[in-house]
Amino acid sequence: DTAVSQTPKYLVTQMGNDKSIKCEQNLGHDTMYWYKQDSKKFLKIMFSYNNKELIINETVPNRFSPKSPDKAHLNLHINSLELGDSAVYFCASSQAGGSQEAFFGQGTRLTVV
Amino acid sequence: AQSVTQLDSHVSVSEGTPVLLRCNYSSSYSPSLFWYVQHPNKGLQLLLKYTSAATLVKGINGFEAEFKKSETSFHLTKPSAHMSDAAEYFCVVSLPNSGYSTLTFGKGTMLLVSP
Repeated sequence: DTAVSQTPKYLVTQMGNDKSIKCEQNLGHDTMYWYKQDSKKFLKIMFSYNNKELIINETVPNRFSPKSPDKAHLNLHINSLELGDSAVYFCASSQAGGSQEAFFGQGTRLTVV
Repeated sequence: AQSVTQLDSHVSVSEGTPVLLRCNYSSSYSPSLFWYVQHPNKGLQLLLKYTSAATLVKGINGFEAEFKKSETSFHLTKPSAHMSDAAEYFCVVSLPNSGYSTLTFGKGTMLLVSP
């Protein structure tokens, strides 16, 4: 049983397109996140949702819009894709509380051509 | 504010020799600290975490880390490296007082293991 699953694993698309990445967790966690890993492997948080409410929204272009239909799902929609959006995007979840570790999905490698 | 500094971008060891990956943190409060590992083209896996209990923390695959408040360090060690340990390692800090996890990642250390 995969704890945090995200689809697709690979996504190749042209500039200007709109795409979505889906994420689901079956751990019963209250909080879900999207992280971006750049080409130098640096990981930075993009968004965090707690019980379907947005609680962290880092400086991310508003072309990126997270959507949480329920607390087990957090999808990421990206409009008007740009070359610089190419990266690996990781979904994660955790229990509430700052001392709790996050559980990560396998990542989605997005390539914009 | 919180941050972590991983002092080495790459560490090379021979199989069977000890591993030391260095991490220093900065935090306004007593932090929670984690080490994650990322194998090539894989997700991130938690190795171990420190949350103000014992200062010496044991993790999976023989790794351990010691929290030293006076040195603001949380170095990761393993007595004997295996080839399968070759991966990227991330030191991570979080504020335990917040209502949710606020992970701040270091820039990572690539561990290379030679036969």
